[in-house]
Amino acid sequence: DAGITQSPRHKVTETGTPVTLRCHQTENHRYMYWYRQDPGHGLRLIHYSYGVKDTDKGEVSDGYSVSRSKTEDFLLTLESATSSQTSVYFCATRGRFTGSGSYEQYFGPGTRLTVT
Amino acid sequence: GESVGLHLPTLSVQEGDNSIINCAYSNSASDYFIWYKQESGKGPQFIIDIRSNMDKRQGQRVTVLLNKTVKHLSLQIAATQPGDSAVYFCAEIISSNTGKLIFGQGTTLQVKP
Repeated sequence: DAGITQSPRHKVTETGTPVTLRCHQTENHRYMYWYRQDPGHGLRLIHYSYGVKDTDKGEVSDGYSVSRSKTEDFLLTLESATSSQTSVYFCATRGRFTGSGSYEQYFGPGTRLTVT
Repeated sequence: GESVGLHLPTLSVQEGDNSIINCAYSNSASDYFIWYKQESGKGPQFIIDIRSNMDKRQGQRVTVLLNKTVKHLSLQIAATQPGDSAVYFCAEIISSNTGKLIFGQGTTLQVKP
């Protein structure tokens, strides 16, 4: 698991409330990613970070913001949660070089978020 | 547009048999293709990758084949074991600099004892 923890692991919240998910890594990896996983869609990239205070959007970034004030922490915020944001959220880091020339991404255990 | 998809949502095989999981992709500009395994309740785990200039790559009990002509990727698992039961995703790296991935929808592999 490359030292990735996510908190909380489960959360139920009401529509319209703000929610912050935390990803913490201990490997000092530069790149970090937030994905959501929904049935029929696989995993989709929300935002990613390429360093402290450096972030960029992924393919499904609307309604989400991120922050990275320290190398080890990457926060995902839903400013006003909607039912369509009910999902399982995974954090990942980019780790070691593979034999083919790409980099392996390590995933955290996930956070199951339900918006009622 | 960019998309990665798998041919079958579920594959059921007998323990000890070989498994073949297929994937079709549309972005011919991707440099790398990757297979991930996701067990129930866990995050995806890297299995193997292949660079776009290769046709075949082997790992421990797994082989990935890439056919660029028909934009097809497959994962072969030899002597399938109960521990191989999981959801398998193919993914393509759309940016080597940032590591941004596009995932397919996944194939569930069920291993019958």
